[in-house]
Amino acid sequence: AQRVTQPEKLLSVFKGAPVELKCNYSYSGSPELFWYVQYSRQRLQLLLRHISRESIKGFTADLNKGETSFHLKKPFAQEEDSAMYYCALGNLFYGQNFVFGPGTRLSVLP
Amino acid sequence: EAQVTQNPRYLITVTGKKLTVTCSQNMNHEYMSWYRQDPGLGLRQIYYSMNVEVTDKGDVPEGYKVSRKEKRNFPLILESPSPNQTSLYFCASRSRLAGSTYNEQFFGPGTRLTVL
Repeated sequence: AQRVTQPEKLLSVFKGAPVELKCNYSYSGSPELFWYVQYSRQRLQLLLRHISRESIKGFTADLNKGETSFHLKKPFAQEEDSAMYYCALGNLFYGQNFVFGPGTRLSVLP
Repeated sequence: EAQVTQNPRYLITVTGKKLTVTCSQNMNHEYMSWYRQDPGLGLRQIYYSMNVEVTDKGDVPEGYKVSRKEKRNFPLILESPSPNQTSLYFCASRSRLAGSTYNEQFFGPGTRLTVL
């Protein structure tokens, strides 16, 4: 069964500090991993997808198939990064099923 | 502007009173989904649709119905709402699979439903 876990409900860091939001997954088939972000009172929007291997707003995420992880990292957090972050898994084997993790609220303190 | 719209944005109702939340997208996307968002549980997929007249259950379909009579619309129907359906609901759409990759999902603004 597909499952996405995010162990931290809340993560607080100071501005300029490095940040890492953890994501682990379990799957059967060919997974695609994503990070979505939800700023206060806004809709969810795609931040990163593992297949793109790009950096968005200074964030990067590497898929580690051995550890089944897709942690989101940023070397220097900014206050505007404060938001809810969701890791998500799309599984081609299961067709259109798309699974989100429970989310981590990132709070960047001044 | 390419977007997913939902109506209403906020709704307070009582147990047992049928309601419909509409969802519309103007991007000609084949795939549409409904999710509910609850604290500590993240987003859970309720139903999805791969095209007109093609719908299937997600992870938490009980108590919900959907229809896809037109490509752009995907309404969520609660025939007899109950308090445990109080939640924040999101509609999403995306285009057909390209090769072996998932395309980005675009989300609506959300509908906050309270069932008393």
